[in-house]
This record gives sequence, structure tokens and C-alpha cells, in this order.
Amino acid sequence: NAGVTQTPKFQVLKTGQSMTLQCAQDMNHNSMYWYRQDPGMGLRLIYYSASEGTTDKGEVPNGYNVSRLNKREFSLRLESAAPSQTSVYFCASEARVDSPLHFGNGTRLTVT
Amino acid sequence: ILNVEQSPQSLHVQEGDSTNFTCSFPSSNFYALHWYRWETAKSPEALFVMTLNGDEKKKGRISATLNTKEGYSYLYIKGSQPEDSATYLCASTSGTYKYIFGTGTRLKVLA
Repeated sequence: NAGVTQTPKFQVLKTGQSMTLQCAQDMNHNSMYWYRQDPGMGLRLIYYSASEGTTDKGEVPNGYNVSRLNKREFSLRLESAAPSQTSVYFCASEARVDSPLHFGNGTRLTVT
Repeated sequence: ILNVEQSPQSLHVQEGDSTNFTCSFPSSNFYALHWYRWETAKSPEALFVMTLNGDEKKKGRISATLNTKEGYSYLYIKGSQPEDSATYLCASTSGTYKYIFGTGTRLKVLA
């Protein structure tokens, strides 16, 4: 009963490098989300996917791309990492619009 | 993007005290208000989801109320315990984006 699983837990990148953050949920949820959390800023939505095959931009999408590979998986890609992308990233899923979000354990990313 | 605001930012209470926090959100285009509990080094866990004006929800010593017309929700903790120490987040659906989060209220309960 894993819930929402994110990998990796920690990552250090150099400016300009690329990487993909992986997220998978085993609860058969339709909607999935990527948030970033910065001190004093709260959780800010990067991208979301309301259902398999659809993705939409959130509040802070610049510098990121996403893929909803199937119903279970929703990945976040940084094509050319920048120091401003240093943050803690959370993936979340929900069953329907009036149900709570289920969060993964987060990925702490540092870009030097 | 309209903001969701929480107050206070942080507070310290003594074990056994009751306390409450406020979440203010845009009342237009409202759909749902969520409360989450977030312990250090863990991920946020859902406490309540409320959709109707006047909603009141309770889980153990924690309860919440909702006023959608004036755009606020209160979270109450009765008889605070050290294990209640956490950051409490609220989130509201607002406009185009799903679940706009507040910056949280950080609670420390002193034994």
C-alpha cells in the first residue's frame, strides 16, 4: 500500500544539467500534481494532469515539462536546471475534485 | 492569482491550551477548502475537505469551520499536545489553478 512514490529523494545538479523526477501512485487516482515548496512561499503548483493524456500549466511552469505516461505515472523534467529551481518538489494525486490530496515524500533538489 | 492567507504565521502554546488558526481565501469561484497537517521531514496529510458554507468537521481534538460567503475558515485544536506540533496548511480552489495553498501556520506545543 505505497500510495504516492517519488524518486529520487535527493538530487544535486549543476546549472544546465537535465533530470526527470518520477512520481507514481497506486490508488487509481485520476488527477496528479507537481508542486514546489520554497521557504516563505508555500506550495506552488507547477503542472497538473486532470486525467491520463492531459496536462495543464499551473502557477510556475516555466523551465519544466511534464509527461502523464499512464494513469499511474506523472513525471517532471527539468531540461536545463537553474539555481532558481533549487527547491523541494512534491507530487500529489487525488481521486476526484472534492477529495483530499495524497502527497509523496518529496524530492529535495539543489542546483549549483 | 488570488492569494490564500493564513494567520498567525507561527505560535507557541502550552500543553493543554486550546488554540485556533485562520485561513482567508477568495470567496468568488469557491469550490472546496482543504486543511492539511505537515510534520517536519514528512509530507502533508489531509485533515479536512469542506465544500459547503457553514460546514463544520471534527477529527478527535481538531475541528474546522467554513464561511464561504466571507471567505474564511477556522481550525481549532482543543487541549493541545506536543504531538500536535506541526505546520497546518489550508488550500482553496481559486480561479484557473487547482488548490492554491497558504503559507501555513507553524504550531509548537510546549510540554
